[in-house]
Amino acid sequence: DAGVIQSPRHEVTEMGQEVTLRCKPISGHNSLFWYRQTMMRGLELLIYFNNNVPIDDSGMPEDRFSAKMPNASFSTLKIQPSEPRDSAVYFCASSLIGSGNTEAFFGQGTRLTVV
Amino acid sequence: QKEVEQNSGPLSVPEGAIASLNCTYSDRGSQSFFWYRQYSGKSPELIMFIYSNGDKEDGRFTAQLNKASQYVSLLIRDSQPSDSATYLCAVPRDGGSQGNLIFGKGTKLSVKP
Repeated sequence: DAGVIQSPRHEVTEMGQEVTLRCKPISGHNSLFWYRQTMMRGLELLIYFNNNVPIDDSGMPEDRFSAKMPNASFSTLKIQPSEPRDSAVYFCASSLIGSGNTEAFFGQGTRLTVV
Repeated sequence: QKEVEQNSGPLSVPEGAIASLNCTYSDRGSQSFFWYRQYSGKSPELIMFIYSNGDKEDGRFTAQLNKASQYVSLLIRDSQPSDSATYLCAVPRDGGSQGNLIFGKGTKLSVKP
């Protein structure tokens, strides 16, 4: 398996623009997690899905952030409008809940810069 | 609100020495603990996990749990320059998936040749 695939790897956008980050989880995994990593706050969970249903979105910072998982093989994290303080590395991770090993595997991340 | 605290470092050790990384947690009810390694510019990868039933060894890595003091440590024996990375400690937010985690901010380890 190719692992968790995120795109784009790097994104530079202007303040006020819409940004969409994409994630393809590992095939067969039933849970997907979006994390954000900054120097100040570290690695924080934004939202997670189980069987394509959002379970906990308490980490989503503002209404400007939204996430969807239309099917088991694809998820998006959207920021609209973007702000400079949204600059961070966004990671997607997936795991298989219900098996003996629920280890979460991380994608390579998307480095977002909002100028 | 569960919290995980780590010394940000950097922790510098000579090659071949033992590196000791520590993490404290706020929720006395936490039962499982995870150590992730993150190389600069890369994603976190799980290297060790430990449950409440004692210490765990895997190759050069040993995770130790002290429930009375609410801290978890990671020992790296015979440290190598390739061990230079940031080590993140994490606890589950709930009793479910290992993916729903609260992370510490990490300790940066530097192993000098």
